[in-house]
Amino acid sequence: EVQLVESGGGLVQPGRSMKLSCAASGFTFSNYGMAWVRQAPTKGLEWVATISYDGSSTYYRDSVKGRFTISRDNAKSTLYLQMNSLRSEDTATYYCTTPGPEGYWGQGTLVTVSS
Amino acid sequence: IQMTQSPSLLSASVGDRVTLSCKAGQNINNYLAWYQQKLGEAPKLLIYNANSLQTGIPSRFSGSGSGTDFTLTISSLQPEDVATYFCQQYNSWTTFGGGTKLELK
Repeated sequence: EVQLVESGGGLVQPGRSMKLSCAASGFTFSNYGMAWVRQAPTKGLEWVATISYDGSSTYYRDSVKGRFTISRDNAKSTLYLQMNSLRSEDTATYYCTTPGPEGYWGQGTLVTVSS
Repeated sequence: IQMTQSPSLLSASVGDRVTLSCKAGQNINNYLAWYQQKLGEAPKLLIYNANSLQTGIPSRFSGSGSGTDFTLTISSLQPEDVATYFCQQYNSWTTFGGGTKLELK
């Protein structure tokens, strides 16, 4: 059974940092590009960042470039999102997902940026 | 690539045939998925590659279209289909439509 389990969310003050993790199982993680997608409360889905299957290429939406870093450890089947200089508008549930037809999604982890 | 869904809100009765629309800003070569999201849950894949039904999804769901115009059809609406539906393109990175909220009339 495919599982993606996000962790690391919580309450954080504006300007601070937070690192999210996503542990994958049930499929060959190292064969797939991965992405982070977020959803602000009562809003739609918003792509955040993508990383290639081997970690050699990364892509970000403009609003997080220079602040967020996506990375992966294929030996641990784990995806990461390092988030720095957090803003209130980053408040959302963050999902890790395979950005293609496989449609694998985690249950999400809530990040709340507030003082 | 911009994805535009319509309508944003749809009210229908049990048993109705329901059609949701998704338009891409450019040709996405049928690299399109449809997701169902219920309140408090993660998105659930219904359709991939524009018209392929995901395993375990009821056959009342179907997808069609090509190029830039796509449709999700529910042939006979059931109460459990109340949810928000998103389309996603994965031809170039990935982007999502704004969603269609489906409610019972």
